[in-house]
Amino acid sequence: KQEVTQIPAALSVPEGENLVLNCSFTDSAIYNLQWFRQDPGKGLTSLLLIQSSQREQTSGRLNASLDKSSGRSTLYIAASQPGDSATYLCAVRLQTGANNLFFGTGTRLTVIP
Amino acid sequence: ETGVTQTPRHLVMGMTNKKSLKCEQHLGHNAMYWYKQSAKKPLELMFVYNFKEQTENNSVPSRFSPECPNSSHLFLHLHTLQPEDSALYLCASSQHRDDEQYFGPGTRLTVT
Repeated sequence: KQEVTQIPAALSVPEGENLVLNCSFTDSAIYNLQWFRQDPGKGLTSLLLIQSSQREQTSGRLNASLDKSSGRSTLYIAASQPGDSATYLCAVRLQTGANNLFFGTGTRLTVIP
Repeated sequence: ETGVTQTPRHLVMGMTNKKSLKCEQHLGHNAMYWYKQSAKKPLELMFVYNFKEQTENNSVPSRFSPECPNSSHLFLHLHTLQPEDSALYLCASSQHRDDEQYFGPGTRLTVT
C-alpha cells in the first residue's frame, strides 16, 4: 500500500520568505502526483499536477518538482503572502489498480504579515 | 469557485435520521468520487463512479449508500450513522478515471 508523508505538519513563516513543502511516498511506480490547497472548512483546489514522466511544473509563484527514484516531491512557494496561508496536500496516483489515489495528511502553512 | 457544487454545506443529524448529500458537476466530466476527510487523517476514498457505474467501493459501511443517476449528479444517502461518521465529505470529478480531480467545497457533517 502506498504511504504518503508530509513533513512538517505545520509551518509558520514571515511574509516574503521563500519556502519548500515536502511530500514523500513509498511506491515509486506512480502515474502522477498532484498538489492541492485547502482553506479551512473548504474543499480542495488543485495547484499543480506532475505526470510521472515530468520533473517539475510551474504556475506563477509555485513550482513543484518530482523525483520518483527517491520517492519525493517538493512544492516551492516564492515570496510568500498571507493569502498563501492554507493546508497543502499532496496526492499520489499509482500506475495500476483500483483505489489508486493516496493523500498525505497535509502541511498547514501560516504566513505572518 | 469550482465547477463542482455540494449541498448542503453543513448538516447536523441524529443517529436515527436519514439524510442525503448532493453533488453536481458542471464540467462535463465522466467520473465522480466521494471522499471522507476526518481530522488529522488522510482523505479516504469512499466510492468511485465512472460513466454512472460504480467502479469502486472502498469497504464503506452500508449505512452510506451512493447513487449516481447521471454523469453530472452524485448522491450519498445516509442512515443510522454513528458519531465517528462526523467529518467533511468531499465530492470530486474528473474527465476520466485517472485524470486530474476537481473538488467541491464539501459538506460538514455532524452526527449527534
